[in-house]
Amino acid sequence: KAGVTQTPRYLIKTRGQQVTLSCSPISGHRSVSWYQQTPGQGLQFLFEYFSETQRNKGNFPGRFSGRQFSNSRSEMNVSTLELGDSALYLCASSPRRGSRETQYFGPGTRLLVL
Amino acid sequence: AQSVTQPDIHITVSEGASLELRCNYSYGATPYLFWYVQSPGQGLQLLLKYFSGDTLVQGIKGFEAEFKRSQSSFNLRKPSVHWSDAAEYFCAVVGGGSQGNLIFGKGTKLSVKP
Repeated sequence: KAGVTQTPRYLIKTRGQQVTLSCSPISGHRSVSWYQQTPGQGLQFLFEYFSETQRNKGNFPGRFSGRQFSNSRSEMNVSTLELGDSALYLCASSPRRGSRETQYFGPGTRLLVL
Repeated sequence: AQSVTQPDIHITVSEGASLELRCNYSYGATPYLFWYVQSPGQGLQLLLKYFSGDTLVQGIKGFEAEFKRSQSSFNLRKPSVHWSDAAEYFCAVVGGGSQGNLIFGKGTKLSVKP
């Protein structure tokens, strides 16, 4: 079974622009979560989608948003990019929602904001 | 609020030596705990997880971890380290209630001396 895929793998943007990142979960997985990884803050939870609805959200500004499609693929969008948004964005999928579900991570999209 | 502490930022061990990476968590109820590994430029790979039952958990690549409720710890161990184990290791706990988001420690970078 193919793993979680994320596109693009690398991205360079300038301040003020917006960006969209894509995540395709493992086949059959319906829950998709997004995490931001930076050297200073470490790994932080952004949000979780299940059945095309955001179910859980971390402590990030409204510039960070996402959506999920009927095939469970997910996108996240960051508007009005700031230098501090430079990070590795990781997507994780699991078969269902819930504390006992193991999350499987993709390789990430590395975003550099100049 | 739940939190995870990995006291060691960087550890260096010789190839063939034993390894123990420390993880302490803060959580009111029985925690669900995970260890992930991240190689440079890669996403996170699950090493092992603890939900309940036997407090000694076996994982992939020869790793094991022991859950000690009295010490709020979930330390990762390996009896003999290989050069390919050099990577960053993250301990995580699942968020409270029915939410499944992971709360990560800051990570421990492992270097292996030949």
